[in-house]
Amino acid sequence: AQKITQTQPGMFVQEKEAVTLDCTYDTSDPSYGLFWYKQPSSGEMIFLIYQGSYDQQNATEGRYSLNFQKARKSANLVISASQLGDSAMYFCAMREGGNAGNMLTFGGGTRLMVKP
Amino acid sequence: NAGVTQTPKFQVLKTGQSMTLQCAQDMNHNSMYWYRQDPGMGLRLIYYSASEGTTDKGEVPNGYNVSRLNKREFSLRLESAAPSQTSVYFCASSPNPSANTDTQYFGPGTRLTVL
Repeated sequence: AQKITQTQPGMFVQEKEAVTLDCTYDTSDPSYGLFWYKQPSSGEMIFLIYQGSYDQQNATEGRYSLNFQKARKSANLVISASQLGDSAMYFCAMREGGNAGNMLTFGGGTRLMVKP
Repeated sequence: NAGVTQTPKFQVLKTGQSMTLQCAQDMNHNSMYWYRQDPGMGLRLIYYSASEGTTDKGEVPNGYNVSRLNKREFSLRLESAAPSQTSVYFCASSPNPSANTDTQYFGPGTRLTVL
């Protein structure tokens, strides 16, 4: 079974509107971390936001927030007030357990396109 | 601060040739990682080094070797390149591999084509 599922291959959003990128995950480990990365057309991977499995509150970083619904095993990224520069691929990733070397497992990504 | 740097940025090899991808980080991080990203997909872990002097296999290690030269540098070697190794290779580093908060920071990637 897929550990990280991103069901939206591509999405459009109007500039200045909010958009939600979906991510569901599968793990039996009670301790895990969820990450979102942005990959613009230039190719680099940019860390956006982190949510821990024991965190009581949803993570926020500027215009990015994470809608964490633990019972549903979802960790959706919300981008408020979209900008043209937000056009990129977005990857959700998970790290299970607390052991050194526990890898980040990535989803297949969502391509976000912001329309002017 | 340069962060994570990778060389080269682009490389074309013929089947059977060998090469080494170089990675260095200046953030004093303990752990370093090599991933590959195939077209339209997320990243998959090839090898990692939890700390200086240790290396371990990730999800897709076949056809690769690694060396953690020192705390800063982690190289990836393809001994006999195959077309299936055509991919974009990312190096990453992280400060605290024992914590789930451990965030990995990525280099700019190396685009490798094997003909």
